[in-house]
Amino acid sequence: DAGVIQSPRHEVTEMGQEVTLRCKPISGHDYLFWYRQTMMRGLELLIYFNNNVPIDDSGMPEDRFSAKMPNASFSTLKIQPSEPRDSAVYFCASSLAWARAGGYTFGSGTRLTVV
Amino acid sequence: AQKITQTQPGMFVQEKEAVTLDCTYDTSDPSYGLFWYKQPSSGEMIFLIYQGSYDQQNATEGRYSLNFQKARKSANLVISASQLGDSAMYFCAMREDNNAGNMLTFGGGTRLMVKP
Repeated sequence: DAGVIQSPRHEVTEMGQEVTLRCKPISGHDYLFWYRQTMMRGLELLIYFNNNVPIDDSGMPEDRFSAKMPNASFSTLKIQPSEPRDSAVYFCASSLAWARAGGYTFGSGTRLTVV
Repeated sequence: AQKITQTQPGMFVQEKEAVTLDCTYDTSDPSYGLFWYKQPSSGEMIFLIYQGSYDQQNATEGRYSLNFQKARKSANLVISASQLGDSAMYFCAMREDNNAGNMLTFGGGTRLMVKP
């Protein structure tokens, strides 16, 4: 398996523009997570899905953020409009339920810079 | 309240020596899992070791071992025989099996620097 695949690896955009981050989870994993990493706040969970259904989106910072999982092999995180404070590394991860050792696999992340 | 606390923002260790990275956690859930991840400068998150709350023995994976003290709610990572390639950020994380779904909650991380 190729692991969790995120695209793009880097994104630079201007304030006010729409940004879409993409994630392909590991085949067979029924959980998908979106995390954001910043120096100030560390790694924080934004939203997660179980069997393509959003379970907890309490970590989504505001209405400018939205996430979808139209099928088991694809998810998007959209920011519209983007702001400089959204600059961060966004990780997607997938897992099986109640995974033990090595069960959570992270993608390589998308480094977003909003100027 | 912080669920995962890593009190050492940065640490130095001499190459070939052992080092302990601290992690304390807070949960009322009797069933939980504790994870350690390594994040090198390239940015990816690499799984290192896992300890379940009901596991009787401390977990070990090669040069990594987890010093699990359940009563003290600590899950310290021990790296033996440090190598230059161990220089990275290290994150402790917890999954609460009954209270909080299937997600991981992370600590703030410890930056380890191995000196030659």
